[in-house]
Amino acid sequence: AQTVTQSQPEMSVQEAETVTLSCTYDTSENNYYLFWYKQPPSRQMILVIRQEAYKQQNATENRFSVNFQKAAKSFSLKISDSQLGDTAMYFCAFMKHPSWGKLQFGAGTQVVVTP
Amino acid sequence: ETGVTQTPRHLVMGMTNKKSLKCEQHLGHNAMYWYKQSAKKPLELMFVYNFKEQTENNSVPSRFSPECPNSSHLFLHLHTLQPEDSALYLCASSPETGLPFVTGELFFGEGSRLTVL
Repeated sequence: AQTVTQSQPEMSVQEAETVTLSCTYDTSENNYYLFWYKQPPSRQMILVIRQEAYKQQNATENRFSVNFQKAAKSFSLKISDSQLGDTAMYFCAFMKHPSWGKLQFGAGTQVVVTP
Repeated sequence: ETGVTQTPRHLVMGMTNKKSLKCEQHLGHNAMYWYKQSAKKPLELMFVYNFKEQTENNSVPSRFSPECPNSSHLFLHLHTLQPEDSALYLCASSPETGLPFVTGELFFGEGSRLTVL
């Protein structure tokens, strides 16, 4: 079974600054996907960014980027130029390939962006 | 209408009650899911439905009974629950079915906050 660990329960960052969230996972699979999901206070969770394990290039989506270290089983999320709307719970998730949408989630990191 | 709608948003029930949670998706997806979100714990996958057929039951107690009458609707019937079942129940959908699931993007509803007294 896979496990996903997010070691930071909460992080605070000022507007326009950068924050990095950590995520580590444990798996014996070689083919898998990693995700960061965001859950704002309204509670609807949305996908932020996705990384395929076979790709060496780190995924980037506007102000969000990841640092994927396959050998170390590490998958961190960097939020650049933080905005108040980035305040949310962020969940790291793992999915082996192929799968039926069975994501293994971490416990989440609460990000608070302050003015 | 939002993509995935869950009702009710809040539910309080006693341990002897019977209630149901409803989920409706307007995205034309073929797969639907129930996840349980408890405080400070990872989301737990409960059930997966693919083209109305249950393809995953993640060792969920029988006091939770899912129903999927069509690809757009998913229910979670609740009976004789325990206080530890209090949580946020999230419904999600995805477009991929019948093939290796390659995108991993789930579309979530806002959840139903359940409190069991």
